[in-house]
Amino acid sequence: ETGVTQSPTHLIKTRGQQVTLRCSSQSGHNTVSWYQQALGQGPQFIFQYYREEENGRGNFPPRFSGLQFPNYSSELNVNALELDDSAPYLCASSLARRGAEQYFGPGTRLTVT
Amino acid sequence: TQLLEQSPQFLSIQEGENLTVYCNSSSVFSSLQWYRQEPGEGPVLLVTVVTGGEVKKLKRLTFQFGDARKDSSLHITAAQPGDTGLYLCAGGGPGGSYIPTFGRGTSLIVHP
Repeated sequence: ETGVTQSPTHLIKTRGQQVTLRCSSQSGHNTVSWYQQALGQGPQFIFQYYREEENGRGNFPPRFSGLQFPNYSSELNVNALELDDSAPYLCASSLARRGAEQYFGPGTRLTVT
Repeated sequence: TQLLEQSPQFLSIQEGENLTVYCNSSSVFSSLQWYRQEPGEGPVLLVTVVTGGEVKKLKRLTFQFGDARKDSSLHITAAQPGDTGLYLCAGGGPGGSYIPTFGRGTSLIVHP
């Protein structure tokens, strides 16, 4: 059974640029959620995809967007990067019917300068 | 918006001590998960509790879901340095799409 993988592990971007983060879900999982984790906080929900459709969205601006592909892998895109976007971004996969149990990847650490 | 309050925020103890961390909300959750996160890693699922009053044990860790499904506790017996990490609780609402809510976490350090 393959776990959740994320790429890249670290990324440095300049304010105003765009970034794409990638996530491969755990084998057999059809739901992917994305989170931002600020220092000293729990993961903050960005959005969730189930079978290629957005299934819910947290309190993040529209410049945060996503995709899920037929193989259930996913992308998080962030446009017009701001300094405050610097954070680890976590991807988690789950089975929709047991969607409460999330299996996380190691995260992508984004730094915006 | 469902909020989960975790306490204490920080805990620093000696090896062999017992401890309890709490996760409280004013909202009812259909289920609640506990995770442990180490620096530079993603959270790792420890347990899911679903039924009010449910108690689950995982070696030295005991998890309890409140009768009203609004709160939960994690008790660690004879803590070891390997228990060091950030303990997070997360809940899902009743019915409909599952949009997970995480607490801020309890940062535990166990000194040898």
